[in-house]
Amino acid sequence: AQSVTQLGSHVSVSEGALVLLRCNYSSSVPPYLFWYVQYPNQGLQLLLKYTSAATLVKGINGFEAEFKKSETSFHLTKPSAHMSDAAENFCAVSAAGKLIFGQGTTLQVKP
Amino acid sequence: DAGVIQSPRHEVTEMGQEVTLRCKPISGHDYLFWYRQTMMRGLELLIYFNNNVPIDDSGMPEDRFSAKMPNASFSTLKIQPSEPRDSAVYFCASSSGRLGTIYEQYFGPGTRLTVT
Repeated sequence: AQSVTQLGSHVSVSEGALVLLRCNYSSSVPPYLFWYVQYPNQGLQLLLKYTSAATLVKGINGFEAEFKKSETSFHLTKPSAHMSDAAENFCAVSAAGKLIFGQGTTLQVKP
Repeated sequence: DAGVIQSPRHEVTEMGQEVTLRCKPISGHDYLFWYRQTMMRGLELLIYFNNNVPIDDSGMPEDRFSAKMPNASFSTLKIQPSEPRDSAVYFCASSSGRLGTIYEQYFGPGTRLTVT
């Protein structure tokens, strides 16, 4: 069965610092992987996706993620955090027509 | 496009009352998903439809919950009778299988339900 594990429920960085949010997946078939972002009092929106093409994928707002099959990982990064990046972030894996979401990681950005 | 529309945005009701949440998916999308989000349990998929037909309702917590999709532009999630533990934010999302983007789900703003 497919599953995702997000390491760290809360990550705090200073503005301008590197952002790294960790996600490991488990899948019995080649997965599609996603990062979704949720700003306060809003629904989730797609940040980026991996669908078996390039292993390094770029998303909105300067975020990117790298698919590493050997490590079963899909970590989300951004070189320089901005205050507007503060949000809840969810990693998700495809599973026969539906998405399996991780528990989420809250990204806090300090001035 | 207006995006996924949900109503009401907030609902406060007393235990035992019937609650109906509504969703209008993005026009042309053939998949519709209902999720529930709580601090304790995170984001849970309750049920999803394809072409108005329920495909997987294994996430529906119990018989008090029911969902319908009478046409391609409207879906409801009903809780009867409601209980305090149903308090959560309920999201509706839609996506397009025809475009091969079934997993690129567009979420509505959610309905915050409080059962007292």
